[in-house]
Amino acid sequence: DVKVTQSSRYLVKRTGEKVFLECVQDMDHENMFWYRQDPGLGLRLIYFSYDVKMKEKGDIPEGYSVSREKKERFSLILESASTNQTSMYLCASSPSSQGATGELFFGEGSRLTVL
Amino acid sequence: GEDVEQSLFLSVREGDSSVINCTYTDSSSTYLYWYKQEPGAGLQLLTYIFSNMDMKQDQRLTVLLNKKDKHLSLRIADTQTGDSAIYFCAPEEGGSYIPTFGRGTSLIVHP
Repeated sequence: DVKVTQSSRYLVKRTGEKVFLECVQDMDHENMFWYRQDPGLGLRLIYFSYDVKMKEKGDIPEGYSVSREKKERFSLILESASTNQTSMYLCASSPSSQGATGELFFGEGSRLTVL
Repeated sequence: GEDVEQSLFLSVREGDSSVINCTYTDSSSTYLYWYKQEPGAGLQLLTYIFSNMDMKQDQRLTVLLNKKDKHLSLRIADTQTGDSAIYFCAPEEGGSYIPTFGRGTSLIVHP
């Protein structure tokens, strides 16, 4: 069974703290994604990665960075958390485009509150 | 980038049909997806349609695609309380295999 695991379901951090959100997939997928989900705004793409050590900016990369040192792991980093980064963060993965429909497999989400 | 619009709420009575509509701007989308998010969970692919199709039926689900008007709809027949969830329209950006998500439609099913 395909699985995307996000390390923390709930986090509470203070303004200015460095925050790491970890995501691991066990499906040997090439592509991995970080989204944030806010009520009334839907999902917005922060960063994605097509391969190890590769990253591409999404629609809202400001204030975030990512790391992909291993194929199965994609980390989202908030260098200095701010209150407007309070949100639900969703990680997803998908196989490479060849022969695939592009279906994304999502983790259950990490709800981050920044005080 | 692609713009995807869908209404935020839909309320239906149990047993009725639900229709969730979506409009998008990128005419080169190859795959157009519908994802479902149940409370407290991540998103799961519900169904998808390939751009050269007008309709796809999968049990209680019917997807209609009007490429000319860039309009996608999802019909759920005999809606049940277990169908209560947020439904996201997500056409992929042309050639990228990356979907752009709408804001999501919260489907509320009442007895």
